[in-house]
Amino acid sequence: AQSVTQPDIHITVSEGASLELRCNYSYGATPYLFWYVQSPGQGLQLLLKYFSGDTLVQGIKGFEAEFKRSQSSFNLRKPSVHWSDAAEYFCAVGPKAAGNKLTFGGGTRVLVKP
Amino acid sequence: KAGVTQTPRYLIKTRGQQVTLSCSPISGHRSVSWYQQTPGQGLQFLFEYFSETQRNKGNFPGRFSGRQFSNSRSEMNVSTLELGDSALYLCASSLVVDPGTGELFFGEGSRLTVL
Repeated sequence: AQSVTQPDIHITVSEGASLELRCNYSYGATPYLFWYVQSPGQGLQLLLKYFSGDTLVQGIKGFEAEFKRSQSSFNLRKPSVHWSDAAEYFCAVGPKAAGNKLTFGGGTRVLVKP
Repeated sequence: KAGVTQTPRYLIKTRGQQVTLSCSPISGHRSVSWYQQTPGQGLQFLFEYFSETQRNKGNFPGRFSGRQFSNSRSEMNVSTLELGDSALYLCASSLVVDPGTGELFFGEGSRLTVL
């Protein structure tokens, strides 16, 4: 069965500092990979996605993620964090031929210090 | 373009009751998925509907059901509510369905509290 692990439950970062969120997945083949963000009281918003090709993908709000097949990882990065980036971030995987059924990681809550 | 609309946003029920949640997808989106979000279990897939047919189903008991109408609007129903059904129920719509791409547009959710 596929699974997604986000090792860090909480991360606190200073405004202007860099951010990296870790994501590891377990799946028989390379799935579709996603990062979603959820602000308090809101639904989820897609930040970026990896389907194939270039392993470094750019997303919205200045985020990027790198797919590393050898490590089964899809880590999310941002060079300089803004206070508005405080939210919960979810990594997700989806099988390529099974509709829109996603398996989500447990999430990482990001706190931004002024 | 209007986003995904879920109603009601908040509701309180008692054990044993049933509840129906509604979701209107983004115009033109024909796939609707439902997810349950709880602090303990996180985000879990319930089911996906496309063209009024259930395409995928998660590992939930039969008390959880759904349907989709010809205008792509969807409802989910939970019967015989249990305390553990307290959760945020998220609906998501998608434009591409064959195969799915996982690019989901989520509503703000319906927060169900079971007392």
